[in-house]
Amino acid sequence: ETGVTQTPRHLVMGMTNKKSLKCEQHLGHNAMYWYKQSAKKPLELMFVYSLEERVENNSVPSRFSPECPNSSHLFLHLHTLQPEDSALYLCASSQNRDSTQYFGPGTRLTVL
Amino acid sequence: AQTVTQSQPEMSVQEAETVTLSCTYDTSESNYYLFWYKQPPSRQMILVIRQEAYKQQNATENRFSVNFQKAAKSFSLKISDSQLGDTAMYFCAFDHSGSRLTFGEGTQLTVNP
Repeated sequence: ETGVTQTPRHLVMGMTNKKSLKCEQHLGHNAMYWYKQSAKKPLELMFVYSLEERVENNSVPSRFSPECPNSSHLFLHLHTLQPEDSALYLCASSQNRDSTQYFGPGTRLTVL
Repeated sequence: AQTVTQSQPEMSVQEAETVTLSCTYDTSESNYYLFWYKQPPSRQMILVIRQEAYKQQNATENRFSVNFQKAAKSFSLKISDSQLGDTAMYFCAFDHSGSRLTFGEGTQLTVNP
């Protein structure tokens, strides 16, 4: 595998479920990001990790919980989501925080 | 706060012709980066081109080039010899502080055969 991969590609969950999104980068980068892309809205930055430490959290609700166990993996743990959380969730990585970001294919999340 | 504006929600172009997508941004910073990303129907966000604000020379990548006007805070993308595979949503993005990409709302480009 090359680049940035995300699993699953599609996820349907109920409001009471707990699920996790996974992102893996094969580029040797040391910074990783989660974005939310909703219909008719610009991409919104959710979380930034640099050298496995969270460096930014853009006022994201606590029902979204990120985890970065190492520089190659990033998770987004989901629990008690709302229907308005339905969106495309994109992961990205970069070599250092001021470098170009490369994106994964995204996870299409639907909350029923 | 930085803002990015793409005033063309949709555009279309005939195959092999040239099209220009507009982007303006607002910032008080002098050093920053600008990007164009494309997102085809597969939803994969793909980097098209990157411009450093301190460079006066416009960036080019094969059929893609930019017209960067720093004083006017304008960053347009020109696609030459358009191909059917260029059909996608195109996003202009701004990055000043490192890691904080601000995206525009996107322009849906359709290349017609």
